[in-house]
Amino acid sequence: QQQVKQSPQSLIVQKGGISIINCAYENTAFDYFPWYQQFPGKGPALLIAIRPDVSEKKEGRFTISFNKSAKQFSLHIMDSQPGDSATYFCAASWLGSNYKLTFGKGTLLTVNP
Amino acid sequence: DVKVTQSSRYLVKRTGEKVFLECVQDMDHENMFWHRQDPGLGLRLIYFSYDVKMKEKGDIPEGYSVSREKKERFSLILESASTNQTSMYLCASRRAGGSEKLFFGSGTQLSVL
Repeated sequence: QQQVKQSPQSLIVQKGGISIINCAYENTAFDYFPWYQQFPGKGPALLIAIRPDVSEKKEGRFTISFNKSAKQFSLHIMDSQPGDSATYFCAASWLGSNYKLTFGKGTLLTVNP
Repeated sequence: DVKVTQSSRYLVKRTGEKVFLECVQDMDHENMFWHRQDPGLGLRLIYFSYDVKMKEKGDIPEGYSVSREKKERFSLILESASTNQTSMYLCASRRAGGSEKLFFGSGTQLSVL
């Protein structure tokens, strides 16, 4: 079963716009929620992560919003740039799984100039 | 910076062959992982090793085995390759701990003909 559902599958945004990617999870034991960014030909790299004791975390143009009651979290990319064009994966993990990450299926973001 | 090196970028094998995918990390990380990445399916965990000679099955271990004889090296073995194992294979490593970030290699694109 898919424990982390990610949407949309693909997203096209104009330069300067806001990109929003959403994830929903089922396992209430999850307590670590990272986002990974992957450029073509490269492995994924950690972009930003959050724990459920806070509702929002911001790093530069990237913000994670977390809604524990709804079991949802989202990535917002402000002032999107063509260089942000990549595949984004949300993920979740918890102590009981040795913190093995369960990934969403990914979102291909294209930012048009 | 951490470097995770996968031995081959592209690999072509025949059905029924025994295939070895090698991964080496240079940062003394305890944990190592093998994922496969398929379009529309995201990243799925095959096997996880939390220390030398220690391993744990991931979500899709069938048809695969692993070996970790030294801390820096984690091998994925396809005992008898099949066409449905054609995929991008991604190795990753991290320090032990819940919120430690994963460092990925650039991947091995395996084609089984």
